[in-house]
Amino acid sequence: AQTVTQSQPEMSVQEAETVTLSCTYDTSESNYYLFWYKQPPSRQMILVIRQEAYKQQNATENRFSVNFQKAAKSFSLKISDSQLGDTAMYFCAFMKSYSNYQLIWGAGTKLIIKP
Amino acid sequence: DTGVSQNPRHKITKRGQNVTFRCDPISEHNRLYWYRQTLGQGPEFLTYFQNEAQLEKSRLLSDRFSAERPKGSFSTLEIQRTEQGDSAMYLCASSLSAGAGYEQYFGPGTRLTVT
Repeated sequence: AQTVTQSQPEMSVQEAETVTLSCTYDTSESNYYLFWYKQPPSRQMILVIRQEAYKQQNATENRFSVNFQKAAKSFSLKISDSQLGDTAMYFCAFMKSYSNYQLIWGAGTKLIIKP
Repeated sequence: DTGVSQNPRHKITKRGQNVTFRCDPISEHNRLYWYRQTLGQGPEFLTYFQNEAQLEKSRLLSDRFSAERPKGSFSTLEIQRTEQGDSAMYLCASSLSAGAGYEQYFGPGTRLTVT
């Protein structure tokens, strides 16, 4: 069975700083997807970034980038030039390819951006 | 396209009562998922539909839970004889069956409180 671990329950940084959220996972699969989702307070889950395991190049979406280390089973999220609107719960999630496509989630990291 | 919608947004019920939640997915999405999220945790997979067929149910989904997706459009999740342990946020998500990394789009959730 797959598991996803987020070891940082809460983090806080000043606005405009860079912050890195950690995620590790355990799987015996070779084909899978990894995701970071953002859940702002009282708002719905939004996809931040996605990584296909077969791609060696790290995914990037504007201020958000990942450091995907397949051998180490690590998938960290870096947020550059953090903004107040980045304040949210961030969840790392795993999806096995060619399956029922269910997401397996970490417990989340609460990120607070301070003005 | 207005995204995934869920109704009601909040439900308070007494233990032993039955409740039903509705999810309207994005219109062209043929996959629909239900997750449950308790406070401070990541979501847990409950069940998944492809069109009108329910293809997988988690062991978390006891006999008191039933989900339907008639005609492959909206879905309902019913909980019979509610228990206090059922108190949680119930999330619905939808996706296409291929492409875009199988990105799941989430609704705002239904928060259930069982008293």
